[in-house]
Amino acid sequence: DQQVKQNSPSLSVQEGRISILNCDYTNSMFDYFLWYKKYPAEGPTFLISISSIKDKNEDGRFTVFLNKSAKHLSLHIVPSQPGDSAVYFCAASPRDAGNMLTFGGGTRLMVKP
Amino acid sequence: KAGVTQTPRYLIKTRGQQVTLSCSPISGHRSVSWYQQTPGQGLQFLFEYFSETQRNKGNFPGRFSGRQFSNSRSEMNVSTLELGDSALYLCASRGRENSPLHFGNGTRLTVT
Repeated sequence: DQQVKQNSPSLSVQEGRISILNCDYTNSMFDYFLWYKKYPAEGPTFLISISSIKDKNEDGRFTVFLNKSAKHLSLHIVPSQPGDSAVYFCAASPRDAGNMLTFGGGTRLMVKP
Repeated sequence: KAGVTQTPRYLIKTRGQQVTLSCSPISGHRSVSWYQQTPGQGLQFLFEYFSETQRNKGNFPGRFSGRQFSNSRSEMNVSTLELGDSALYLCASRGRENSPLHFGNGTRLTVT
């Protein structure tokens, strides 16, 4: 049973345009959500997070939106750059779950020059 | 500040052997977790340690074990290796509660 799903395995975007990566979850106990970026042969790198008390969090070119009623979150990257090409994972955890993150399957983003 | 360091980066073992992987967290981080990444199952939580105590454990068989030392460094051990244990094993550390996990670059284990 996949509690966190990223339904798009890949996404291709033109440089300078917006990239929108989506993530759905089923566990209503999740209240902390994160996005990580992963390059080949490297570990995941933390990008941005959001707690369930918010519906939006911004950090530079990255914005995460959380829709709790739909159990859906999205990551917007504006403007997209070729260096953003990587696999993006969303992850979620319940309150007080320590480091126990549940990850989605990842979306490969390709930003074309 | 140095990141999470994992050794070795690559390892090849034979079915039935055992293996020990090592992780040094970011300086000052007392919480360490281990994850397994495979093409079929994705990233899955193995276990978490804080102040030398296991705090949470994922749904893995008892062949997978770990420990944490007083300097927060951690090791994980897999005994009686199976072909399906071939994976990227990632260690992550965290500072204060509710801050994000920071991952190392992983150990790529191949079981033949």
